[in-house]
Amino acid sequence: SAVISQKPSRDICQRGTSLTIQCQVDSQVTMMFWYRQQPGQSLTLIATANQGSEATYESGFVIDKFPISRPNLTFSTLTVSNMSPEDSSIYLCSAYSGSRDEQYFGPGTRLTVT
Amino acid sequence: QKEVEQNSGPLSVPEGAIASLNCTYSDRVSQSFFWYRQYSGKSPELIMSIYSNGDKEDGRFTAQLNKASQYVSLLIRDSQPSDSATYLCAVNNDNAGNMLTFGGGTRLMVKP
Repeated sequence: SAVISQKPSRDICQRGTSLTIQCQVDSQVTMMFWYRQQPGQSLTLIATANQGSEATYESGFVIDKFPISRPNLTFSTLTVSNMSPEDSSIYLCSAYSGSRDEQYFGPGTRLTVT
Repeated sequence: QKEVEQNSGPLSVPEGAIASLNCTYSDRVSQSFFWYRQYSGKSPELIMSIYSNGDKEDGRFTAQLNKASQYVSLLIRDSQPSDSATYLCAVNNDNAGNMLTFGGGTRLMVKP
């Protein structure tokens, strides 16, 4: 399975600021995704990070609020912009391995906005 | 709207019993099915994948798939307190660019 790391693991941020979350995979993967998980809830897909092109966002998520980069096949970043307390959540990076048709998750970033 | 449904639980079973977790999905063209385990405060961990009708066994875990009934289940034999977690069912419609649709999860509690 792919090993995925995320930085930071947690952060407390002030309203109106931005935070960039980094995701590193230990091998090249076909696709990378960003999810959000509110406490006690299931996973909500934010976007698919596309290598070399703009990310594909799900309904309710926009590029201005959640800009995403994917400069290569092992790395992606998610920025949470102009944060409000409603953005407090766990943000998860995941990677899809086409060779195994399986998707793995990073450890997550716990974000608290005050 | 593609949906994946799970009973939220909690499902409580005694130690040593069989825990049965169920999941239904709405999209008939779904091809790949996964079970993830998520401990409180941790990220989801893939424990089983199944792609064809029937049973797939891995240690104490058995995944069962019935595409005609649009139903997938996970059986955990000899349940242990360490199995207490939330179990997420995920379905991949291969035509959707390998994106997974997750169920809401079932919380399992195994009591000593």
